[in-house]
Amino acid sequence: QKEVEQNSGPLSVPEGAIASLNCTYSDRGSQSFFWYRQYSGKSPELIMFIYSNGDKEDGRFTAQLNKASQYVSLLIRDSQPSDSATYLCALDSGNTPLVFGKGTRLSVIA
Amino acid sequence: EPEVTQTPSHQVTQMGQEVILRCVPISNHLYFYWYRQILGQKVEFLVSFYNNEISEKSEIFDDQFSVERPDGSNFTLKIRSTKLEDSAMYFCASHSGVAEAFFGQGTRLTVV
Repeated sequence: QKEVEQNSGPLSVPEGAIASLNCTYSDRGSQSFFWYRQYSGKSPELIMFIYSNGDKEDGRFTAQLNKASQYVSLLIRDSQPSDSATYLCALDSGNTPLVFGKGTRLSVIA
Repeated sequence: EPEVTQTPSHQVTQMGQEVILRCVPISNHLYFYWYRQILGQKVEFLVSFYNNEISEKSEIFDDQFSVERPDGSNFTLKIRSTKLEDSAMYFCASHSGVAEAFFGQGTRLTVV
C-alpha cells in the first residue's frame, strides 16, 4: 500500500517569508513526485514535479527530493496571501495513477 | 492552452438514481483517469483508462461504477445507483504518457 504523509497544518507564515512544506512516502519504487496547489472547492493545479534527487527551482518555488530518506519538500519564497491554499504532495511509479497525501493547508498572513 | 473539460460543474441527484459525469480530455493524451475527493479528505484514485479499456481500478470502483469512451473525445463516469456516500468532487485527468497529468475543474456531486 503506497502511503504519502503530510502534516495537515495549518502552516501559518507572514507575507514575504519562506514557507516550507514537507512530504514523506512509503514506496521506494516511486519515480515521480508532484506538488499540487488546491484552492477550496477547486481542482488540483500542478506547481512542480521532480524526478531526480536534489533541488529543482521554478520562480519562487523550489522542490527538493531525497529518495534515500523518502522525503519531498516544497519551498515557497516571498510568500504571498494568494499562496494561501492546500498543497498536495503526490507521486507515481511511472504512468501509474497518482497517490496523493491529505495536503497541508498554508495560510500566508498579510 | 489545452485543458480538460468536465460537465456538469455541479450535479444534485436523489439516492438510487443514475448519474453520468462527462469529461473531454486533452486531445492527444492517451491515459485517462477519474479521481474523487470527499469533502475534507484526500484525492483518491478511482480508475484509469488506456487504449479503450480499464487499465487499473481501485477498491472504490465497484460494480456501481463504469467508464466509457463512447467517441473519440468524451470520457464518462457512470454511477448506477447513487448512495449518500458518493457525494464528492469528481475529477477527470488526462496524461500524454510523458510528464504530468492535467486535471479538469471537477464535478461536485451531491446525493440527497
